[in-house]
Amino acid sequence: AQSVSQHNHHVILSEAASLELGCNYSYGGTVNLFWYVQYPGQHLQLLLKYFSGDPLVKGIKGFEAEFIKSKFSFNLRKPSVQWSDTAEYFCAAGDSGYALNFGKGTSLLVTP
Amino acid sequence: EPEVTQTPSHQVTQMGQEVILRCVPISNHLYFYWYRQILGQKVEFLVSFYNNEISEKSEIFDDQFSVERPDGSNFTLKIRSTKLEDSAMYFCASSETQETQYFGPGTRLLVL
Repeated sequence: AQSVSQHNHHVILSEAASLELGCNYSYGGTVNLFWYVQYPGQHLQLLLKYFSGDPLVKGIKGFEAEFIKSKFSFNLRKPSVQWSDTAEYFCAAGDSGYALNFGKGTSLLVTP
Repeated sequence: EPEVTQTPSHQVTQMGQEVILRCVPISNHLYFYWYRQILGQKVEFLVSFYNNEISEKSEIFDDQFSVERPDGSNFTLKIRSTKLEDSAMYFCASSETQETQYFGPGTRLLVL
């Protein structure tokens, strides 16, 4: 069955620390991968996406993600987090159809 | 930047009542979606809509649910007879192609 899993449910970091959030997917065939962010009280916003090509994808606000096909992973990274990065982060996958399959989300708290 | 909008932001209803959640997708988008997120759980796909008909739906989207595009701008989700377990945040999304979905701010539905 198609699924997306995020291993870190809660992450607490100090400002300027590096971030890596794990995402693994289980899909047969072609898969499109996304990271969405939900800031407190706001809606889901697209951070970045991968469809094909360069497996290292750069998104908004200094985030990037790397698609590693052999590991079925699409981890999100940021070299130096800021307090304003405090949010819920969702990995999602789709197969160019309609439904997006979301992971459970990772709650990131960045402390000053 | 155009955004998906949803109304109301919060809705409280009694069990057994009908509710209609409204969404205004981004104007040139052709594909429309509803998702929900029960508190503490992941975002789940409900239904997608294209060319005035449902293109895909999940097991959650049973006969109690219906969607409609009553005019050129609105996209609605109706729950005919709400149950306690329908309490959730409901997100509308739209996309121009089937690739990237843009989400609205959500409607928090509480069924008492």
